[in-house]
Amino acid sequence: DGGITQSPKYLFRKEGQNVTLSCEQNLNHDAMYWYRQDPGQGLRLIYYSQIVNDFQKGDIAEGYSVSREKKESFPLTVTSAQKNPTAFYLCASSLDGFLGANVLTFGAGSRLTVL
Amino acid sequence: AQKVTQAQTEISVVEKEDVTLDCVYETRDTTYYLFWYKQPPSGELVFLIRRNSFDEQNEISGRYSWNFQKSTSSFNFTITASQVVDSAVYFCALSEAGGTYKYIFGTGTRLKVLA
Repeated sequence: DGGITQSPKYLFRKEGQNVTLSCEQNLNHDAMYWYRQDPGQGLRLIYYSQIVNDFQKGDIAEGYSVSREKKESFPLTVTSAQKNPTAFYLCASSLDGFLGANVLTFGAGSRLTVL
Repeated sequence: AQKVTQAQTEISVVEKEDVTLDCVYETRDTTYYLFWYKQPPSGELVFLIRRNSFDEQNEISGRYSWNFQKSTSSFNFTITASQVVDSAVYFCALSEAGGTYKYIFGTGTRLKVLA
């Protein structure tokens, strides 16, 4: 079945460490997104990529980095520069990134906790 | 600026009760799309419905119905005869018709259906 796979589901990090969250899709979607979810704040866009080898900053990109070397993969690195990284991270994709009508397909999320 | 407001943070109902989740949006665009997503405890957001700004017909799908009113900038969601499986966080979202693609999510409404 087509879908989005995120790993790991749970991740613990010590302060000062970088961590990378994996996101893989087999939907043949052009666009991919990373969202951060905090209690009571809804979903906030970190980065998005409308096409391979291109990505754009979202609303809260500071302290994060991404790459899009393959169509199916969009890993997110949470760097030590991110001051409050404890959150639930959701990866999503859509058929393309240029039409507002596109439905987002989400992965099951990764919960990052900084110790 | 675009904005989506879900004023109800949490709602609790007893099974078989009807419940309405409110969504109010702001946009200057004449063409836009509205969405509802469901986030069950597993974490993965699931698409429920999409409406474009030119289609104000109400939609019914089984126990779910949606009331879109441009005059009040609202896109409310009603669950009839609620069931325990409806317990989840529900997000309303808005997107523009084209160009740089970005969803604006509301902060979500947590629905608890008690047996």
